[in-house]
Amino acid sequence: DQQVKQNSPSLSVQEGRISILNCDYTNSMFDYFLWYKKYPAEGPTFLISISSIKDKNEDGRFTVFLNKSAKHLSLHIVPSQPGDSAVYFCAARSGSGGSNYKLTFGKGTLLTVNP
Amino acid sequence: DAGVTQSPTHLIKTRGQHVTLRCSPISGHKSVSWYQQVLGQGPQFIFQYYEKEERGRGNFPDRFSARQFPNYSSELNVNALLLGDSALYLCASSDVPRGGANVLTFGAGSRLTVL
Repeated sequence: DQQVKQNSPSLSVQEGRISILNCDYTNSMFDYFLWYKKYPAEGPTFLISISSIKDKNEDGRFTVFLNKSAKHLSLHIVPSQPGDSAVYFCAARSGSGGSNYKLTFGKGTLLTVNP
Repeated sequence: DAGVTQSPTHLIKTRGQHVTLRCSPISGHKSVSWYQQVLGQGPQFIFQYYEKEERGRGNFPDRFSARQFPNYSSELNVNALLLGDSALYLCASSDVPRGGANVLTFGAGSRLTVL
């Protein structure tokens, strides 16, 4: 049972335009949501996170929106740059708190930004 | 400052063999987690260790085991390898929990191929 779903395997956008990556989840107990970016032959790199009690978090060109009622979050990248081309993973954190936690990842979305 | 380092980067084993993967966390990080990423999927949680104690275990068979050493480095062991164990094995470390998202920093991974 996939608790975190990224339904778009790929997305292609033009340089300078907005990229919107979507993610849905089923477990209401997730307390944080994170986005990671992954280039080939490298490990995932953290981009931005949002607490389950917030609805928006912004960091430079990256903004994450959380809609708890719909169990949906999205990552907006504005403006998109060719260097943003990578696989983007949505991840959700769960655990009993303190030092006990794990991330549940979606399958990822391959973003291609065309010059 | 060195990031999370993993060894070996690539290895090939045959069915039934045993493998040991190693991970050195970022200096000062006391928590290490292991994830398995099969081609086309997102990373899947295997283990989390904090202060040398197992704090979480994912849905993996007993053939998978791990430990954390006094210097906070970690080993992942897999016995009786199956073809389905072929994957990228990612190690991640994080700082002492202080609230917030406790972002995981990933290494580049160990690519295991089982023939």
